[in-house]
Amino acid sequence: EAGVVQSPRYKIIEKKQPVAFWCNPISGHNTLYWYLQNLGQGPELLIRYENEEAVDDSQLPKDRFSAERLKGVDSTLKIQPAELGDSAVYLCASSLGSLGTDTQYFGPGTRLTVL
Amino acid sequence: AQKVTQAQTEISVVEKEDVTLDCVYETRDTTYYLFWYKQPPSGELVFLIRRNSFDEQNEISGRYSWNFQKSTSSFNFTITASQVVDSAVYFCALSGHNQGGKLIFGQGTELSVKP
Repeated sequence: EAGVVQSPRYKIIEKKQPVAFWCNPISGHNTLYWYLQNLGQGPELLIRYENEEAVDDSQLPKDRFSAERLKGVDSTLKIQPAELGDSAVYLCASSLGSLGTDTQYFGPGTRLTVL
Repeated sequence: AQKVTQAQTEISVVEKEDVTLDCVYETRDTTYYLFWYKQPPSGELVFLIRRNSFDEQNEISGRYSWNFQKSTSSFNFTITASQVVDSAVYFCALSGHNQGGKLIFGQGTELSVKP
């Protein structure tokens, strides 16, 4: 069974430029998460989708970040414009549902460097 | 509020030594779930174990074992006869039953196993 796929793996951009990250969850997983991981820290949730609906985006900085999950499968996370402080790893995870018993499986992440 | 503390930032051992990674958590939920994930240099978070708050039985899986003690709010992880391939950052995480699957991660413990 294929795991969570993310692309690109690495991205380097100048500040104020836009950037987008793509995630393909495990087949059949209804719940999709985007996490932000700063260097030396644990991941922190940005947004959670149940199918195509964003049900928890309270931690998403909505002035510059946006996300979508078309057709309840793939998802895209966008930053526009990027700032120096956005340099981090962006992780996507998926699970069958959103109960505590539903294990989240993570992708390899996208490492963003903003210059 | 929920919180996970991994007091050990870095641990270095020599191959074949046993090592224990500590995890202390805080939650007001009566039903909750505890997780351990491994993050090798490749960056992908690999699921190791999930425990619910009603199951305090210790678990052993090969060289890995977990000690869950509600009385001390701890969920410690022991690797027996460590190997170089165990070198990674290990994260402990907590999810409340009514938190929509949101994982609260500790800061991680970087384990270095030297030959």
